[in-house]
Amino acid sequence: GDSVTQMEGPVTLSEEAFLTINCTYTATGYPSLFWYVQYPGEGLQLLLKATKADDKGSNKGFEATYRKETTSFHLEKGSVQVSDSAVYFCALSDLGNTPLVFGKGTRLSVIA
Amino acid sequence: GAVVSQHPSWVICKSGTSVKIECRSLDFQATTMFWYRQFPKQSLMLMATSNEGSKATYEQGVEKDKFLINHASLTLSTLTVTSAHPEDSSFYICSARDRMGQYEQYFGPGTRLTVT
Repeated sequence: GDSVTQMEGPVTLSEEAFLTINCTYTATGYPSLFWYVQYPGEGLQLLLKATKADDKGSNKGFEATYRKETTSFHLEKGSVQVSDSAVYFCALSDLGNTPLVFGKGTRLSVIA
Repeated sequence: GAVVSQHPSWVICKSGTSVKIECRSLDFQATTMFWYRQFPKQSLMLMATSNEGSKATYEQGVEKDKFLINHASLTLSTLTVTSAHPEDSSFYICSARDRMGQYEQYFGPGTRLTVT
């Protein structure tokens, strides 16, 4: 079945550091790929998405490129802020009404 | 757009009682809604998939008689935790898929249930 593997956390960075959170996937078809963010005590918010190979999703300074050849969708940000501290989930969706398949989540802590 | 609300945001109940959690899509129609459970510092565990007008599909290991799901309209799904016990304490999150959208799901803010 489909699966998502993302780097284990927690990740602790200083403010303005560069962020990479790795995500790889396995899927039988051509999935859409997503990054969701969960702030403490809240639900999930869609951060960015990409629906086909070589698409780049971007939002709030975060970027991720759909790499079909390496089955990856790594999340990057050039300069993190304390307010970026949250849990980040990589996810995929393969077919119309099937639920999202989530990675285990990566907790990011940014310190001033 | 694409807002999903949950009510209540938190609830405390006594062991043996039942609790109903509502999930509403506020500005779109959702033929499919999903219910997740999240334990502290863990990922989301899919409990069931709910389609409007039909019975929910439960994931393996989820008791359908304990977690009753009703999806009565295109904008409302409810999860009722029956005869709640302390081990049912958790963060419950719903999501909804826009019937016109492309695979993405919009999540509610979650409901924290504490059973004493």
